[in-house]
Amino acid sequence: SQQGEEDPQALSIQEGENATMNCSYKTSINNLQWYRQNSGRGLVHLILIRSNEREKHSGRLRVTLDTSKKSSSLLITASRAADTASYFCATANQGGSEKLVFGKGTKLTVNP
Amino acid sequence: DTGVSQDPRHKITKRGQNVTFRCDPISEHNRLYWYRQTLGQGPEFLTYFQNEAQLEKSRLLSDRFSAERPKGSFSTLEIQRTEQGDSAMYLCASSQNRAGAYEQYFGPGTRLTVT
Repeated sequence: SQQGEEDPQALSIQEGENATMNCSYKTSINNLQWYRQNSGRGLVHLILIRSNEREKHSGRLRVTLDTSKKSSSLLITASRAADTASYFCATANQGGSEKLVFGKGTKLTVNP
Repeated sequence: DTGVSQDPRHKITKRGQNVTFRCDPISEHNRLYWYRQTLGQGPEFLTYFQNEAQLEKSRLLSDRFSAERPKGSFSTLEIQRTEQGDSAMYLCASSQNRAGAYEQYFGPGTRLTVT
């Protein structure tokens, strides 16, 4: 079963604009990871945020985590056409396997 | 490139045939995970190994599926008597513990089509 729910399911913006994607989850987590997937390809790891962290940055990416609301957001600033992809959040449980539980993803289209 | 590799990238098989996929993880990673992804969905966990030990299997992994990781290096996923419902992308990921978290790195996947 899928734990995370990304919102929106699809997002279309112009190059240069910012894109914000949200993710909600249901159970306690050890960490939350964001991935990018280009059509029909494998997943590219973007960023990991631990349950005791509130915000992380990596280049044009900014991720926030609110464990009280069980939600996270991914902000891509100054988007480019190459950012067009599906973005997934995945939660890792506390202890044990740390298997990832994914949402259905947000399909981002950046128009040139 | 020392990332996760998977072979083959694509496999077309007829219903009832057996198929085997291979995953080569990042060399120093002790954990290896298998996931399955169908169209329009996020990946779903199948099983994982710590070194050579298979420590957890999802209920999605029916008795037609078997996975191995001999010597704690590469892993194979075999599907016996394939069914059309097995058509999916099979993804492998590897990781190691970094300050209490396992950041998982994925391979390119094997796309299976069962006709």
